[in-house]
Amino acid sequence: EDQVTQSPEALRLQEGESSSLNCSYTVSGLRGLFWYRQDPGKGPEFLFTLYSAGEEKEKERLKATLTKKESFLHITAPKPEDSATYLCAVQDSGLDAGNNRKLIWGLGTSLAVNP
Amino acid sequence: ETGVTQTPRHLVMGMTNKKSLKCEQHLGHNAMYWYKQSAKKPLELMFVYNFKEQTENNSVPSRFSPECPNSSHLFLHLHTLQPEDSALYLCASSQARQPDTQYFGPGTRLTVL
Repeated sequence: EDQVTQSPEALRLQEGESSSLNCSYTVSGLRGLFWYRQDPGKGPEFLFTLYSAGEEKEKERLKATLTKKESFLHITAPKPEDSATYLCAVQDSGLDAGNNRKLIWGLGTSLAVNP
Repeated sequence: ETGVTQTPRHLVMGMTNKKSLKCEQHLGHNAMYWYKQSAKKPLELMFVYNFKEQTENNSVPSRFSPECPNSSHLFLHLHTLQPEDSALYLCASSQARQPDTQYFGPGTRLTVL
């Protein structure tokens, strides 16, 4: 069964304390892995798409990496404004009955960065 | 307006009311989605429209009725909802032929009394 698991569920960091969030997945064939940021009461904001193992993408203090079974979102020297829930989603290469490629979502990691 | 917009942002309704949620995308996309987001649950896909045609109805109760008059607008008509339907309802859009990256609106926080 296709599955996406994010860890930890919650993470509290001091400003400047680097860390990583994990997204492990089980799908029959990976078409893409997506990272989103979500602030409370708002919609998810797209961050990165990764397509193949070994791929890396960076944006400001964030760097996403991908292996054949997991992805990491590395946060370097975080600031309080990085506080949010980070969501991971995986797209299987197969099609469902409606010819759609569904996204399989994780539960997210809630990140709090203290000043 | 840019991106994906949703109105209203907040909605409180009784179980006997009828209301509608509206979504508009300004990205030139051809696919639009409705999601439900509840606490402690992953995002739940409700409906998908590709080029105005519904291609997904993820076993959603009939008290939720979608409408897609064109590729830029999407509605979710609500009637006789239950308290457990209280959630954040998110609209998203993407390019239909490369349904990879979905872009989300800010959501409608729905409370059913």
